[in-house]
Amino acid sequence: KQEVTQIPAALSVPEGENLVLNCSFTDSAIYNLQWFRQDPGKGLTSLLLIQSSQREQTSGRLNASLDKSSGRSTLYIAASQPGDSATYLCAVGGTSGTYKYIFGTGTRLKVLA
Amino acid sequence: GAGVSQSPSNKVTEKGKDVELRCDPISGHTALYWYRQSLGQGLEFLIYFQGNSAPDKSGLPSDRFSAERTGGSVSTLTIQRTQQEDSAVYLCASNQARSAGELFFGEGSRLTVL
Repeated sequence: KQEVTQIPAALSVPEGENLVLNCSFTDSAIYNLQWFRQDPGKGLTSLLLIQSSQREQTSGRLNASLDKSSGRSTLYIAASQPGDSATYLCAVGGTSGTYKYIFGTGTRLKVLA
Repeated sequence: GAGVSQSPSNKVTEKGKDVELRCDPISGHTALYWYRQSLGQGLEFLIYFQGNSAPDKSGLPSDRFSAERTGGSVSTLTIQRTQQEDSAVYLCASNQARSAGELFFGEGSRLTVL
């Protein structure tokens, strides 16, 4: 059974810092991994999608990497801003030959002005 | 449509009543997912539809929960005889599953059972 873990559960940093969020998964047989952002009371917004054949994806100040063999992904946020404050979730897709997505419990990020 | 649309956005009901939650996926997306997010918790998979294939119902918590998808588009999640523990945000998502495409979520339906 696929299990997805995110560390740390919560993080508070001063504005301008670079930071790394971690996601680990137990079953490396995945189709892809996706990072999302969730603001309070809102749905999930897709940030980056990494296919299983890819090592990383970049969008603006965000960079996500994937190491399938070790069951790890990281989300790197450069020059953090207060507007980055949100909960960040990772999800692995395609577990056990299905298209089901399994989510981690998220990292709650607060960027202090 | 431009995005995944869910209705109602908020629903307050009394214990024992039935509720229906609706999801309208992005046009052309073949896969549709329902998840549940309880207060302070992660996303719990409920059910997955892919084209005309039999749905994956493995996440439905009890037989009070059911879902259907008509015409390969709109989906309805029905909860019968609601209980207080059913209170949560119900999130719908869609994607082009066969290309392992990006998953897009709606804003969710917040259900409160009194």
